[in-house]
Amino acid sequence: GAGVSQSPRYKVTKRGQDVALRCDPISGHVSLYWYRQALGQGPEFLTYFNYEAQQDKSGLPNDRFSAERPEGSISTLTIQRTEQRDSAMYRCASSLGQGGSGELFFGEGSRLTVL
Amino acid sequence: TQLLEQSPQFLSIQEGENLTVYCNSSSVFSSLQWYRQEPGEGPVLLVTVVTGGEVKKLKRLTFQFGDARKDSSLHITAAQPGDTGLYLCAGLGGTYKYIFGTGTRLKVLA
Repeated sequence: GAGVSQSPRYKVTKRGQDVALRCDPISGHVSLYWYRQALGQGPEFLTYFNYEAQQDKSGLPNDRFSAERPEGSISTLTIQRTEQRDSAMYRCASSLGQGGSGELFFGEGSRLTVL
Repeated sequence: TQLLEQSPQFLSIQEGENLTVYCNSSSVFSSLQWYRQEPGEGPVLLVTVVTGGEVKKLKRLTFQFGDARKDSSLHITAAQPGDTGLYLCAGLGGTYKYIFGTGTRLKVLA
């Protein structure tokens, strides 16, 4: 596609429900990142994929958070048993190469609200 | 843990004024990027600096990477209302992980 596409753009869920956030990166981009961003602050790193391999998941807050990229393209970030503190903007970014100073192209984000 | 602290956190200036935003860390980064983010959108890359001491200019914006590759600055000359936004630095660590700074929110008044 022309850019990084994320869905849903907005998700409202009740505490305890599971949610899945989808990221469709720019075609051919090898690297895929997930970040979480609070309003007016810098993105907080969650996890990084090189093709289908999850090479760094050190930013995932706890074991309720998981991510996959099974075919090296589309990625899903799943949050199980959501809590109110999970409410945030979740942003996906892709990059052409394997890290190394490449430009990150960000999607428009998925805003999650947990009631 | 690699942290990037930006200062100031907020900046409101008049059109035509100059300003500098700082990005500091105790960690060494192999490269550093600056992004600008507008409300409702994702960050967009402005520049990448790789070499310690490197200076890059982009029209009225001047970016510098510290000699030790631990800090960077962004200087804007004659700011315009179109420069308004959230400015973010991002350092590349050893595992292809881009660490973003705390952000500087700039508002330029006409």
